[in-house]
Amino acid sequence: DVKVTQSSRYLVKRTGEKVFLECVQDMDHENMFWYRQDPGLGLRLIYFSYDVKMKEKGDIPEGYSVSREKKERFSLILESASTNQTSMYLCASSSRGYTEAFFGQGTRLTVV
Amino acid sequence: GQQVMQIPQYQHVQEGEDFTTYCNSSTTLSNIQWYKQRPGGHPVFLIQLVKSGEVKKQKRLTFQFGEAKKNSSLHITATQTTDVGTYFCAGRLNAGNMLTFGGGTRLMVKP
Repeated sequence: DVKVTQSSRYLVKRTGEKVFLECVQDMDHENMFWYRQDPGLGLRLIYFSYDVKMKEKGDIPEGYSVSREKKERFSLILESASTNQTSMYLCASSSRGYTEAFFGQGTRLTVV
Repeated sequence: GQQVMQIPQYQHVQEGEDFTTYCNSSTTLSNIQWYKQRPGGHPVFLIQLVKSGEVKKQKRLTFQFGEAKKNSSLHITATQTTDVGTYFCAGRLNAGNMLTFGGGTRLMVKP
């Protein structure tokens, strides 16, 4: 059974903290994605990685960075968390080419 | 701004009625995918369309990809309460690998 696992289901952080969201996939997929989901706005792409150490900015990269040191792991970093980054964060992976994306269960982050 | 638009944002239907959601892109899509997210869940892949004008069916669900590969639709015949959730389209723009989602259509079905 294919799996994308996000490190936390719920997270509460303080404004200004550095926050790490981790995502691991066990399908040997080349592509990995980080999205945030907000009511009425759907899924907005933050960053995309198509290979180890390779990344591309999505639609809303400001305030975020990513790290992909190993193929199976894709980390999203909030350098200095702000309240407007309170959201549901979804990680996904897919193999190269026009294939389906598999999603993790999501991390609901609250910044207070 | 968002390059893949979806309408309507919300739809309430009576069980047994039909439902359609529409997806439009400002640029040509290499392919279009559809996902369903149940309340409290994560998006789950339903189907992919690749060819211009393609139509695919899954039981009561019919998916279409426009001739110009800029629009798509999902039609559900005779909705059931199990159809409740948010339906997203997602496309790859300009032959890239980045997957861009529409805003989603939240379907609510009254029994």
